[in-house]
Amino acid sequence: EIVLTQSPGTLSLSPGERATLSCRASQSVSSNYLAWYQQKPGQAPRLLIYGASSRATGIPDRFSGSGSGTDFTLTISRLEPEDFAVYYCQQYGSSFTFGPGTEVDIK
Amino acid sequence: QVQLVESGGGVVQPGRSLKLSCAASGFTFSSYAMHWVRQAPGKGLEWLAVISYDGSRKYYADSVKGRFTISRDKSKNTLYLQMNSLGGEETAVYYCARETEALDYWGQGTLVTVSS
Repeated sequence: EIVLTQSPGTLSLSPGERATLSCRASQSVSSNYLAWYQQKPGQAPRLLIYGASSRATGIPDRFSGSGSGTDFTLTISRLEPEDFAVYYCQQYGSSFTFGPGTEVDIK
Repeated sequence: QVQLVESGGGVVQPGRSLKLSCAASGFTFSSYAMHWVRQAPGKGLEWLAVISYDGSRKYYADSVKGRFTISRDKSKNTLYLQMNSLGGEETAVYYCARETEALDYWGQGTLVTVSS
């Protein structure tokens, strides 16, 4: 089973700042089948990025994904108030597993 | 528009069974693989099971293999999760989700509480 590790656990930033979230896999993720989701309290997760770097429908271009193999990054170029949430990575190249999440909170 | 609506949650005693449903609308249900994912209170997401678009292939997380069964009924546009031998640690919100590239649509979830 591929284990995903996300860092940091919590990221405290101000609106307008850049957020960089990391997701590391215990083994290579085939075909870069790596997705990122955003979840706000009381809501279902929302798909942001699939295939490591493709934005899902309707996702603003301030969200971008990069990486390959075992190291992946989600970048939010300028944080908007609605971006403060928990972010999960998921690999779907070998079965399906989620990372533990990174909380982005307001500094 | 795509809608997924889970139902069937509630309070169940440890060791008992429960069956969840997920009613799909707004898309051709029989063309998509479907998943179940759960989230314990205050915890992260845990993938549980997937069923292929035609129901011919099913895969499970090790934590539920042999106890949970995923199924679908294309005539009713509904996905199911039969859960047997439930344990207290399985109290969670259970979500269904559609697979295209990753999980692109999710329901709002149904809460299952395992308690005596």
